[in-house]
Amino acid sequence: QVQLQESGPGLVEPSRTLSLTCTVSGGSIGSGNYYYAWIRQTAGKGLEWLGRIFPNGGGMYSPSLRGRITLSIDLSMNHLSLQLTSVTAADTGIYFCARGSRGSYWLYPLDFWGQGTTITVSS
Amino acid sequence: EIVLTQSPDTLSLSPGERATLSCRASQSVSGKFVAWYQKKPGQSPRVLIYSASTRATGIPDRFSGSGSGTDFTLTISSLEPEDFAVYFCQQHGNSPQVFGPGTKVEI
Repeated sequence: QVQLQESGPGLVEPSRTLSLTCTVSGGSIGSGNYYYAWIRQTAGKGLEWLGRIFPNGGGMYSPSLRGRITLSIDLSMNHLSLQLTSVTAADTGIYFCARGSRGSYWLYPLDFWGQGTTITVSS
Repeated sequence: EIVLTQSPDTLSLSPGERATLSCRASQSVSGKFVAWYQKKPGQSPRVLIYSASTRATGIPDRFSGSGSGTDFTLTISSLEPEDFAVYFCQQHGNSPQVFGPGTKVEI
């Protein structure tokens, strides 16, 4: 059974860069059958999809975050990473990583999730 | 980008009652690629339904989904105490995989 575990700094100062890691266990992150996504839950916006990445590194991002967000994948470490620049209080929330399966032309839903890591943006 | 809206914001019901939740898309969702997730405080979201009407593994049959085009529905036929939670719909077929704002089902 695959497991995902997010890790992060907890507290980030405004205007700084947020860096998160998601460690995947119980399966190879390199399998082309899957994709990985980052989602956050904020007080005002419910669940917000941030972006997704394929094992070959192809990423797509939420239009609302484009220019601030970068997703990457490290096959040797079996983990994925999120970087979010120029953070503000609006970026405070619980950040989840999750995995879904890939079809030939479409994506299946996210069926394995990490427990989430809480990020607070404050000075 | 597709925008999803959900109604109602809150549904106040009792155990044993039927819950009907709506998800409307700003444009037709190709392939009926709409999923429903359940979210409880302190827990990760759990997928219930995908491709509008397919139950995910291990999901009880009191949960059902329907719809196509721009209108989708999640029905819980008889609410159990553990079903009181927030439910989100999502367009999952391609990116961006947007979520709706959620419907809270409360006692």
